[in-house]
Amino acid sequence: EVQVVESGGTLVQPGGSLRLSCAASGFTFSDYYMDWVRQAPGKGLEWLGRVRNKPNSYTTEYAASVIGRFTISRDDSQRSLFLQMNSLKSEDTAVYYCIRVSGQKHSRAFDIWGQGTMVTVSS
Amino acid sequence: AIQMTQSPSSLSASVGDRVTITCRASQGIRNDLGWYQQKPGKAPKVLIYATSTLQSGVPSRFSGSGSGTDFTLTISSLQPEDFATYYCLQDYDYPLTFGQGTKVDIK
Repeated sequence: EVQVVESGGTLVQPGGSLRLSCAASGFTFSDYYMDWVRQAPGKGLEWLGRVRNKPNSYTTEYAASVIGRFTISRDDSQRSLFLQMNSLKSEDTAVYYCIRVSGQKHSRAFDIWGQGTMVTVSS
Repeated sequence: AIQMTQSPSSLSASVGDRVTITCRASQGIRNDLGWYQQKPGKAPKVLIYATSTLQSGVPSRFSGSGSGTDFTLTISSLQPEDFATYYCLQDYDYPLTFGQGTKVDIK
């Protein structure tokens, strides 16, 4: 079965750090771009960032709201995606989704989503 | 950043109704637009990408159209399982941006 499974969400204090992981299975992880999206309670979806694959030098893109605080990385040997979150704020409280991005430019889809992992930033 | 404005923000409809949701981009995005459906407590799923390409396994009552700045998701005959929130997503330029969502509920 093609799937991605997030882990690592928990309660963390403001100013703290947290690392989320996403384990992929059922597909050739190294072939794909991977993204993170979050959803605050009762709110809409917010794209956070992307890491490209090896042929594209593992380059990254980020939303303005997380630049300098969040870092996306991947380990193709472990079929894993990571989201390192630093300097966490209450407004980072959300469900965080790991996503496989399929297709090519002008024909891409977020076709595989994880179930999400909840991060709560509170004292 | 490209702003995506969805309308309406919510609508009430009956089973069998034709439903149309629109998404307007603040600048041209070619055909780089997708539509996602989310049910309560679940992860979103892709319905349509590249404006009009139906994702495998998605019923043909869903269709997408548009180009440039104006895009439409149409459900030709609303089914009970279609009551959900729908989001558009532009992937033309970074940062990628979602519309604010359209909640479709039962009239």
